Amino acid sequence: GESVGLHLPTLSVQEGDNSIINCAYSNSASDYFIWYKQESGKGPQFIIDIRSNMDKRQGQRVTVLLNKTVKHLSLQIAATQPGDSAVYFCAESLSYKYIFGTGTRLKVLA
Amino acid sequence: EPEVTQTPSHQVTQMGQEVILRCVPISNHLYFYWYRQILGQKVEFLVSFYNNEISEKSEIFDDQFSVERPDGSNFTLKIRSTKLEDSAMYFCASRPQRGSNQPQHFGDGTRLSIL
Repeated sequence: GESVGLHLPTLSVQEGDNSIINCAYSNSASDYFIWYKQESGKGPQFIIDIRSNMDKRQGQRVTVLLNKTVKHLSLQIAATQPGDSAVYFCAESLSYKYIFGTGTRLKVLA
Repeated sequence: EPEVTQTPSHQVTQMGQEVILRCVPISNHLYFYWYRQILGQKVEFLVSFYNNEISEKSEIFDDQFSVERPDGSNFTLKIRSTKLEDSAMYFCASRPQRGSNQPQHFGDGTRLSIL
């Protein structure tokens, strides 16, 4: 059978507000970081990435911040919309394979 | 936009049977991956494949697993004798090239249910 799943942390945000999703990564040798969005029944969908020589990168409505000192990543979503509801995973790249975090469920409240 | 496609979307198999999961990576991509996600858990790396050989594999990828690129478009994951704990979503991913940091693109997965 299937194992009992881990309890996902959940972030509930009012529509139109900004969301901040946090992630701790594990390996100081990781040199590339990616945020993925996963909707129910779908595969991880690329949102934004950042290399280890940067500390901030902006996309359309999304910003990723990287703090290598404390091995922390965050994803900021501006003006959160109902379509942003999903599970968000960070991934660190180590020798070209990805190590995924546990994920955070984002719920957008109308 | 080009995408990774996986078939079937759901596979139900008796324990002990062989199963083959199929993937068509994005056409100009050179690096291919399989990951799995047990229900409610994180996505886990299984194997990476480049230039017709495995470049890296995890502890999960034991002798029961194999990968193949039988032609110019398909990339398959075979589980030789399935176990109950193989039940999971299996995701294929691909990436264009080595050396530069480019994101892996994922398919929508195959849900494998072992009875």
